[in-house]
Amino acid sequence: DAGVTQSPTHLIKTRGQQVTLRCSPISGHKSVSWYQQVLGQGPQFIFQYYEKEERGRGNFPDRFSARQFPNYSSELNVNALLLGDSALYLCASSFIAGGPQETQYFGPGTRLLVL
Amino acid sequence: ILNVEQSPQSLHVQEGDSTNFTCSFPSSNFYALHWYRWETAKSPEALFVMTLNGDEKKKGRISATLNTKEGYSYLYIKGSQPEDSATYLCAFIWHDKIIFGKGTRLHILP
Repeated sequence: DAGVTQSPTHLIKTRGQQVTLRCSPISGHKSVSWYQQVLGQGPQFIFQYYEKEERGRGNFPDRFSARQFPNYSSELNVNALLLGDSALYLCASSFIAGGPQETQYFGPGTRLLVL
Repeated sequence: ILNVEQSPQSLHVQEGDSTNFTCSFPSSNFYALHWYRWETAKSPEALFVMTLNGDEKKKGRISATLNTKEGYSYLYIKGSQPEDSATYLCAFIWHDKIIFGKGTRLHILP
Protein backbone atom coordinates (compact mmCIF):
# COMPACT_ATOMS: atom_id res chain seq x y z
CA ASP A 1 0.00 0.00 0.00
CA ALA A 2 1.20 3.50 -0.76
CA GLY A 3 1.97 5.69 2.20
CA VAL A 4 0.92 9.29 2.65
CA THR A 5 1.92 11.33 -0.38
CA GLN A 6 2.44 15.07 -0.62
CA SER A 7 2.97 17.42 -3.53
CA PRO A 8 4.95 19.29 -4.49
CA THR A 9 8.14 18.21 -2.71
CA HIS A 10 9.70 21.66 -2.94
CA LEU A 11 8.31 25.09 -3.68
CA ILE A 12 9.72 28.60 -3.93
CA LYS A 13 7.39 31.59 -3.62
CA THR A 14 7.78 35.31 -3.01
CA ARG A 15 6.27 37.36 -0.23
CA GLY A 16 2.61 38.16 -0.72
CA GLN A 17 1.94 35.20 -2.97
CA GLN A 18 -0.43 32.36 -2.23
CA VAL A 19 0.42 28.65 -2.10
CA THR A 20 -1.54 25.40 -2.15
CA LEU A 21 -0.06 22.18 -0.80
CA ARG A 22 -1.63 18.78 -1.39
CA CYS A 23 -1.84 15.57 0.59
CA SER A 24 -3.23 12.11 -0.16
CA PRO A 25 -3.77 9.91 2.89
CA ILE A 26 -3.20 6.20 3.17
CA SER A 27 -6.06 4.30 1.56
CA GLY A 28 -8.84 3.81 4.12
CA HIS A 29 -7.71 6.68 6.35
CA LYS A 30 -10.33 9.36 6.83
CA SER A 31 -8.44 11.92 8.87
CA VAL A 32 -5.71 14.29 7.72
CA SER A 33 -3.64 16.63 9.86
CA TRP A 34 -1.24 19.37 8.81
CA TYR A 35 1.92 20.47 10.61
CA GLN A 36 4.51 23.17 10.08
CA GLN A 37 8.11 22.49 11.02
CA VAL A 38 10.62 25.32 11.04
CA LEU A 39 14.31 24.58 11.45
CA GLY A 40 15.28 23.70 15.00
CA GLN A 41 11.70 23.26 16.20
CA GLY A 42 9.31 20.35 16.50
CA PRO A 43 6.32 20.13 14.16
CA GLN A 44 3.55 22.60 15.05
CA PHE A 45 -0.06 21.50 14.62
CA ILE A 46 -2.03 23.56 12.08
CA PHE A 47 -5.26 21.68 11.29
CA GLN A 48 -6.99 18.35 11.56
CA TYR A 49 -9.79 17.29 9.21
CA TYR A 50 -12.04 14.28 9.48
CA GLU A 51 -14.82 13.39 7.07
CA LYS A 52 -14.38 16.81 5.41
CA GLU A 53 -15.00 18.67 8.67
CA GLU A 54 -12.42 20.67 10.60
CA ARG A 55 -11.82 18.88 13.91
CA GLY A 56 -8.96 20.89 15.33
CA ARG A 57 -7.00 24.04 14.71
CA GLY A 58 -3.66 25.22 16.04
CA ASN A 59 -2.50 28.79 16.73
CA PHE A 60 -2.07 29.92 13.17
CA PRO A 61 -3.44 33.10 11.54
CA ASP A 62 -6.43 33.13 9.21
CA ARG A 63 -4.05 33.25 6.25
CA PHE A 64 -3.85 29.48 6.74
CA SER A 65 -6.83 27.46 5.57
CA ALA A 66 -7.45 23.88 4.56
CA ARG A 67 -10.08 21.59 3.22
CA GLN A 68 -10.68 17.89 2.78
CA PHE A 69 -12.27 16.35 -0.27
CA PRO A 70 -14.73 13.42 -0.59
CA ASN A 71 -11.79 11.10 -1.40
CA TYR A 72 -10.18 12.24 1.90
CA SER A 73 -7.30 14.03 0.21
CA SER A 74 -6.58 17.49 1.54
CA GLU A 75 -5.21 20.87 0.56
CA LEU A 76 -3.51 23.43 2.74
CA ASN A 77 -3.66 27.03 1.50
CA VAL A 78 -1.53 29.86 2.75
CA ASN A 79 -2.31 33.40 1.58
CA ALA A 80 -0.18 36.55 1.69
CA LEU A 81 3.00 34.59 2.30
CA LEU A 82 5.54 35.94 4.77
CA LEU A 83 9.22 35.09 5.02
CA GLY A 84 8.41 33.32 8.29
CA ASP A 85 6.18 30.85 6.48
CA SER A 86 9.30 29.18 5.09
CA ALA A 87 9.17 25.71 6.58
CA LEU A 88 8.61 22.03 6.00
CA TYR A 89 4.87 21.30 5.86
CA LEU A 90 3.98 17.80 6.94
CA CYS A 91 0.74 15.96 6.37
CA ALA A 92 -0.29 12.99 8.50
CA SER A 93 -3.20 10.61 8.11
CA SER A 94 -5.02 8.36 10.53
CA PHE A 95 -7.98 6.04 10.29
CA ILE A 96 -10.24 8.23 12.38
CA ALA A 97 -9.85 11.59 14.13
CA GLY A 98 -8.50 9.71 17.09
CA GLY A 99 -8.27 9.29 20.05
CA PRO A 100 -5.13 10.15 21.83
CA GLN A 101 -4.09 6.60 21.01
CA GLU A 102 -4.52 7.07 17.29
CA THR A 103 -1.24 6.59 15.42
CA GLN A 104 -0.58 9.13 12.71
CA TYR A 105 1.31 8.26 9.54
CA PHE A 106 3.34 11.07 8.08
CA GLY A 107 4.14 12.00 4.52
CA PRO A 108 7.58 13.21 3.40
CA GLY A 109 6.59 16.86 3.54
CA THR A 110 6.64 19.88 1.24
CA ARG A 111 9.52 22.27 1.74
CA LEU A 112 8.38 25.84 1.15
CA LEU A 113 10.82 28.69 0.73
CA VAL A 114 9.46 32.23 0.73
CA LEU A 115 11.79 34.89 -0.71
CA ILE B 1 1.54 27.41 27.63
CA LEU B 2 2.20 23.68 27.43
CA ASN B 3 5.82 22.75 26.99
CA VAL B 4 7.32 19.47 25.88
CA GLU B 5 11.06 19.29 26.48
CA GLN B 6 13.45 16.73 25.05
CA SER B 7 16.98 16.20 26.24
CA PRO B 8 19.64 16.09 25.18
CA GLN B 9 19.21 18.10 21.99
CA SER B 10 21.95 16.07 20.30
CA LEU B 11 23.81 12.90 21.17
CA HIS B 12 26.82 11.07 19.70
CA VAL B 13 27.02 7.38 20.57
CA GLN B 14 29.58 4.75 19.59
CA GLU B 15 28.20 1.87 17.54
CA GLY B 16 27.34 -0.98 19.88
CA ASP B 17 26.78 1.23 22.92
CA SER B 18 23.39 1.66 24.53
CA THR B 19 21.82 5.04 25.10
CA ASN B 20 18.69 6.76 26.38
CA PHE B 21 17.06 10.16 26.22
CA THR B 22 14.19 11.96 27.85
CA CYS B 23 10.89 13.59 27.03
CA SER B 24 9.36 15.80 29.75
CA PHE B 25 5.75 16.95 29.61
CA PRO B 26 3.07 18.49 31.86
CA SER B 27 1.95 15.85 34.34
CA SER B 28 -1.63 17.11 34.65
CA ASN B 29 -4.38 16.16 32.19
CA PHE B 30 -2.30 13.47 30.54
CA TYR B 31 -3.89 11.76 27.55
CA ALA B 32 -1.10 10.03 25.64
CA LEU B 33 2.50 10.32 24.55
CA HIS B 34 3.80 9.30 21.15
CA TRP B 35 7.38 8.59 20.10
CA TYR B 36 8.51 9.00 16.48
CA ARG B 37 11.77 8.31 14.66
CA TRP B 38 12.62 10.70 11.84
CA GLU B 39 15.46 9.78 9.53
CA THR B 40 16.89 12.42 7.23
CA ALA B 41 14.98 12.77 3.96
CA LYS B 42 12.27 10.37 5.15
CA SER B 43 8.88 10.69 6.86
CA PRO B 44 8.53 10.57 10.66
CA GLU B 45 7.78 6.98 11.64
CA ALA B 46 5.63 6.09 14.65
CA LEU B 47 7.46 4.04 17.29
CA PHE B 48 5.22 3.89 20.35
CA VAL B 49 1.96 5.18 21.77
CA MET B 50 2.12 5.35 25.57
CA THR B 51 -1.04 5.89 27.58
CA LEU B 52 -0.79 4.40 31.07
CA ASN B 53 1.51 5.30 33.94
CA GLY B 54 4.17 2.64 34.15
CA ASP B 55 3.74 1.63 30.50
CA GLU B 56 6.74 -0.09 28.98
CA LYS B 57 6.82 -0.69 25.24
CA LYS B 58 9.44 -2.51 23.18
CA LYS B 59 10.22 -2.78 19.47
CA GLY B 60 13.38 -4.74 18.74
CA ARG B 61 16.30 -2.94 20.40
CA ILE B 62 14.22 0.15 21.20
CA SER B 63 12.07 0.47 24.30
CA ALA B 64 10.24 3.24 26.11
CA THR B 65 8.89 3.84 29.60
CA LEU B 66 6.30 6.29 30.87
CA ASN B 67 5.84 8.09 34.19
CA THR B 68 2.74 10.27 33.99
CA LYS B 69 2.86 11.33 37.65
CA GLU B 70 6.21 13.03 37.27
CA GLY B 71 5.77 13.86 33.60
CA TYR B 72 8.54 12.07 31.74
CA SER B 73 9.19 9.27 29.28
CA TYR B 74 12.50 7.61 28.50
CA LEU B 75 13.48 6.09 25.17
CA TYR B 76 16.21 3.45 25.31
CA ILE B 77 18.24 2.05 22.45
CA LYS B 78 20.27 -1.08 23.15
CA GLY B 79 23.39 -1.85 21.11
CA SER B 80 23.19 1.19 18.80
CA GLN B 81 23.53 0.53 15.08
CA PRO B 82 24.20 2.99 12.22
CA GLU B 83 20.56 2.74 11.13
CA ASP B 84 19.51 4.20 14.50
CA SER B 85 20.91 7.59 13.42
CA ALA B 86 17.83 9.81 13.33
CA THR B 87 15.92 12.48 15.20
CA TYR B 88 13.63 11.06 17.88
CA LEU B 89 10.53 13.13 18.55
CA CYS B 90 8.02 12.84 21.33
CA ALA B 91 4.50 14.25 21.05
CA PHE B 92 2.24 14.98 24.01
CA ILE B 93 -1.50 14.68 23.43
CA TRP B 94 -3.59 17.17 25.43
CA HIS B 95 -7.30 17.33 24.68
CA ASP B 96 -7.48 17.87 20.92
CA LYS B 97 -3.96 19.24 20.65
CA ILE B 98 -0.73 17.45 19.81
CA ILE B 99 2.43 19.16 21.01
CA PHE B 100 5.80 17.99 19.75
CA GLY B 101 9.15 18.40 21.42
CA LYS B 102 12.11 19.66 19.41
CA GLY B 103 13.60 16.20 19.21
CA THR B 104 16.85 14.49 20.14
CA ARG B 105 19.26 14.15 17.24
CA LEU B 106 21.14 10.83 17.58
CA HIS B 107 24.40 10.25 15.71
CA ILE B 108 25.93 6.77 15.73
CA LEU B 109 29.72 6.79 15.37
CA PRO B 110 31.38 3.84 13.58
